[in-house]
Amino acid sequence: AAGVIQSPRHLIKEKRETATLKCYPIPRHDTVYWYQQGPGQDPQFLISFYEKMQSDKGSIPDRFSAQQFSDYHSELNMSSLELGDSALYFCASRRAGGPLDEQFFGPGTRLTVL
Amino acid sequence: AQTVTQSQPEMSVQEAETVTLSCTYDTSENNYYLFWYKQPPSRQMILVIRQEAYKQQNATENRFSVNFQKAAKSFSLKISDSQLGDTAMYFCAFMKLYYGGATNKLIFGTGTLLAVQP
Repeated sequence: AAGVIQSPRHLIKEKRETATLKCYPIPRHDTVYWYQQGPGQDPQFLISFYEKMQSDKGSIPDRFSAQQFSDYHSELNMSSLELGDSALYFCASRRAGGPLDEQFFGPGTRLTVL
Repeated sequence: AQTVTQSQPEMSVQEAETVTLSCTYDTSENNYYLFWYKQPPSRQMILVIRQEAYKQQNATENRFSVNFQKAAKSFSLKISDSQLGDTAMYFCAFMKLYYGGATNKLIFGTGTLLAVQP
């Protein structure tokens, strides 16, 4: 069965650089969630999209922006990277019309900021 | 705001034995779900079990079962016949349900690192 795809899987950046993380949800999934998991931390909700519109926003820094495209994939853009942005970034998706509690997680993108 | 608390940072259990992981949460909502997620060394988030708040019957998935005490806001996970592959970080999570929308974000606890010893 198809799963959530995240790319790249690993990313190394320098401070003050920019990074773009991509998420490809499972086919026929119209909702995407982004979570950030710092080292030794629990995942924290960043932002979500439903039908290409932002549906909720969590503790996402102003330096970060995200969007969902017409094919439902989503991109998380991170600028002026800081050491504290080093984390595992998860994307999860939910099926259109599916159970409200359902979220399928991708494998994550590990971002390291040097 | 909802909070999820896991008071056991680490636990250890012998293979084939039973272990219980604790979780408490705080909410004023009536419609919500509770989850246990497993995160092995690969860091993949794997759903273990889910419980709907309006259901009194405790959820069970093979060797995994929960003890859901709604009044006490407690949601513990019992793992029976522990296996080496159960070694992982376990996160308890809460989700408030919004009908008609998609803002059903997960709120996680700080996790319990479970080590299954041979």
